[in-house]
Amino acid sequence: DIQMTQSPSSLSASVGDRVTITCRASQGISNYLAWYQQKPGKVPKLLIYAASTLQSGVPSRFSGSGSGTDFTLTISSLQPEDVATYYCQKHNSVPWTFGQGTKVEIK
Amino acid sequence: QVQLQQSGPGLVKPSQTLSLTCAISGDSVSSNTAAWNWIRQSPSRGLEWLGRTYYRSRWYNDYAVSVKSRITINPDTSKNQFSLHLNSVTPEDTAVFYCARETGSARPFDFWGQGTLVTVSS
Repeated sequence: DIQMTQSPSSLSASVGDRVTITCRASQGISNYLAWYQQKPGKVPKLLIYAASTLQSGVPSRFSGSGSGTDFTLTISSLQPEDVATYYCQKHNSVPWTFGQGTKVEIK
Repeated sequence: QVQLQQSGPGLVKPSQTLSLTCAISGDSVSSNTAAWNWIRQSPSRGLEWLGRTYYRSRWYNDYAVSVKSRITINPDTSKNQFSLHLNSVTPEDTAVFYCARETGSARPFDFWGQGTLVTVSS
């Protein structure tokens, strides 16, 4: 199975900072990469799919890039409501696999 | 708007079968473009996909290797829902279980159920 590895596992940044999270696939997955946001006690929410396509209703400060094995989620200006754990997931073929998550906190 | 409503017990004894149901509104379990998944989340395993069912002129299932010998996912067209059955559970199966929809070819999970914490304990 293809493994998904995220870094860092956690980060702390100030409001307004640019935040970058990385996800690496153990094999190439073209652009079949999704990002989810999970706030404490809540259900994961789809933010981005196909590496860079923003899901409807998601703020434009979120963006994604990458292809093949290396992908990035960027929050251009961190807001208090962005405190959450972020997960990547490959969506080219089963088995669907997720990264281990990156916890984002406000400094 | 698609909604997924989960139901089922929150406590299961070791060696017994864990059973959960996901009722669908706003879509059909028999959709030719959607697939209906079960995912679990625990501190030790993170988010783990368990399996799915979908209809493409006939019914198909895919299961994760880690649970393949113990899992069944069934559609129920009369009630527009699908179910998860995981047998021979152990405390390591304790997790929050989610149902989720994927739609289109190679698309991720766009709608999720509310989650059910299932504890395996005697």
